[in-house]
Amino acid sequence: DADVTQTPRNRITKTGKRIMLECSQTKGHDRMYWYRQDPGLGLRLIYYSFDVKDINKGEISDGYSVSRQAQAKFSLSLESAIPNQTALYFCATSGGTGENGYTFGSGTRLTVV
Amino acid sequence: GEDVEQSLFLSVREGDSSVINCTYTDSSSTYLYWYKQEPGAGLQLLTYIFSNMDMKQDQRLTVLLNKKDKHLSLRIADTQTGDSAIYFCAERGSSASKIIFGSGTRLSIRP
Repeated sequence: DADVTQTPRNRITKTGKRIMLECSQTKGHDRMYWYRQDPGLGLRLIYYSFDVKDINKGEISDGYSVSRQAQAKFSLSLESAIPNQTALYFCATSGGTGENGYTFGSGTRLTVV
Repeated sequence: GEDVEQSLFLSVREGDSSVINCTYTDSSSTYLYWYKQEPGAGLQLLTYIFSNMDMKQDQRLTVLLNKKDKHLSLRIADTQTGDSAIYFCAERGSSASKIIFGSGTRLSIRP
């Protein structure tokens, strides 16, 4: 099994719908992150969490919310999806040591029509 | 604020060396990274360099760090078709709360 698992892998949803992207990890890491990737823009941080009771906004948190249900689970919600939220979404984890960087999931490709 | 910049595209001939460049703005960076993203996959850590180092070599990969100019490069020797991917430069500042990524450089290989 992958260290960081994201579900679903692909999703098409309609404008205005609520959608949740899920992330679970077996690394035992405390730190978890949600990024979105857009062509030419690289990865932009949406939210991050350092433990179950800790939630922090990233650079593009508007229109998104998160929930850290357990150390191993971190979900991202789009309350009312809009077309410019069409992107590739990545979850990542970190144990906090610099030399290991982040461990990434395989991504969720979300299309909002 | 913190920023990491890199060119979007690079094309090299198979067997040649590839050099991907990156600049960053955070003078308090502690770790700098190179990640590789293959089609349909997440990012994988290729290598990292600590800020007190000038160079790091790992098989075909050589990382050079010029801390004065805030410039990082990744050299891939004897580039192969399997090296086709997007390469992301990233840095972790002294606060250690998050890693900032560049926009990624798409490396394509010509026969």
